[in-house]
Amino acid sequence: DAGVIQSPRHEVTEMGQEVTLRCKPISGHDYLFWYRQTMMRGLELLIYFNNNVPIDDSGMPEDRFSAKMPNASFSTLKIQPSEPRDSAVYFCASRDLSYGYTFGSGTRLTVV
Amino acid sequence: GENVEQHPSTLSVQEGDSAVIKCTYSDSASNYFPWYKQELGKRPQLIIDIRSNVGEKKDQRIAVTLNKTAKHFSLHITETQPEDSAVYFCAATAGGSYIPTFGRGTSLIVHP
Repeated sequence: DAGVIQSPRHEVTEMGQEVTLRCKPISGHDYLFWYRQTMMRGLELLIYFNNNVPIDDSGMPEDRFSAKMPNASFSTLKIQPSEPRDSAVYFCASRDLSYGYTFGSGTRLTVV
Repeated sequence: GENVEQHPSTLSVQEGDSAVIKCTYSDSASNYFPWYKQELGKRPQLIIDIRSNVGEKKDQRIAVTLNKTAKHFSLHITETQPEDSAVYFCAATAGGSYIPTFGRGTSLIVHP
C-alpha cells in the first residue's frame, strides 16, 4: 500500500486565489481527517469524514474553507479566497477500525 | 471534550542519555494513547501506542507508561541517538470517538 497520498507537496499562491488540496486515503480506511499544522497552534483538526460523510467540521476556521469526499478514495480541501494567514502545512490522515492513524506527507501552503 | 497537556515543549539531551516526555489527559473515558514522531519536514508517524488495559509497553529503546488513576502517560527513550531528534506528539482517544486529541508536541534535541 502506498499510504495516504497528498498533492501537491508544495503550493505557492497569491492572496485571493483559490487553492485545492487533494488526498487519497489508504484503501479500506473508513475515516479521513484534515489537519492544519502551524508553529503557533500545533496540529489542528479541521474536519473529518466517516464513510465519505462529513461528521464534524467545527474546526474549519472560516467559510472560506470547504472539504468534500465524493468517494472512498478521494477528498479535497479548498480555500477560496486564500489569505496569507492560511499559510501552513496541511495534513490528511486516514484511520482503520483498530485506531491505526496514518498521515500523508502533507502540503506546504504559502500564500503571498 | 478531551484536553491533552504535554511537557516539556523542548527537551535537550546528550547522546546516550534518557529522555522522558509526559502527557496528561482529562477524559477518564480515553482508552487509547498513541505517540507520534515528526522529523523535520516530514509527516507524523506512529512510533508506539498503549491501550488502557496495559500499564507499560516497550519496543527496543522506547517505552510508554500509563497511569489511568492519575490520567497521565509518558514516553521514555533510552540511549538516545542524534536520529531521535524530532518533535514528539502524544494523543488520547476516548472510547467510541475514534478521534485523537493531540498534545502540542515536544521538540527533542539529541546532541552528539
